[in-house]
Amino acid sequence: SQQGEEDPQALSIQEGENATMNCSYKTSINNLQWYRQNSGRGLVHLILIRSNEREKHSGRLRVTLDTSKKSSSLLITASRAADTASYFCATDAIQGAQKLVFGQGTRLTINP
Amino acid sequence: NAGVMQNPRHLVRRRGQEARLRCSPMKGHSHVYWYRQLPEEGLKFMVYLQKENIIDESGMPKERFSAEFPKEGPSILRIQQVVRGDSAAYFCASSPIRTLGEKLFFGSGTQLSVL
Repeated sequence: SQQGEEDPQALSIQEGENATMNCSYKTSINNLQWYRQNSGRGLVHLILIRSNEREKHSGRLRVTLDTSKKSSSLLITASRAADTASYFCATDAIQGAQKLVFGQGTRLTINP
Repeated sequence: NAGVMQNPRHLVRRRGQEARLRCSPMKGHSHVYWYRQLPEEGLKFMVYLQKENIIDESGMPKERFSAEFPKEGPSILRIQQVVRGDSAAYFCASSPIRTLGEKLFFGSGTQLSVL
């Protein structure tokens, strides 16, 4: 299975702290994406990192990709209460690249 | 430019009834994906369609489930003879073209409850 697995499943931190979420996957990929989902809503795309990239930044987001370990991390710096959501990684496999495959997600809670 | 529109937002059906979920992709998008999400879980791929074609239905149950994306009108996910296990949130996503590194735009989902 290509499905990514996020770690931890749930994370609770204080506002202002940094939040780090990890994602592991099993097959070779073209790219890896991170999405955010607020409760009861659809997913919103956050950032994409290609297989030949190692690190990418977007605002308070920093994503790393280690293809040798088949893993990625999402760092949210200076967290805010509004960052409370579930975060999912999604992979686009080299073989049969017809769909994005999502992980189980990390539920992030930012305490004010 | 309206986003991906799904309706209804909530759908309640009794066991044995049919459920029809609709998805209108963003304007200019010809690729539609359906995903299912159970509570506290990730999204499970169901089917990928282009206009009038099913490209990948590897995630669709073999029975009772079907999907279409006609030349005109929204994409429809149809579930016949629903059972309680079909209760879930069903999300539709669209993209303009299918290339590497394509991000998906998601609708707000249809929450199906089977009584």
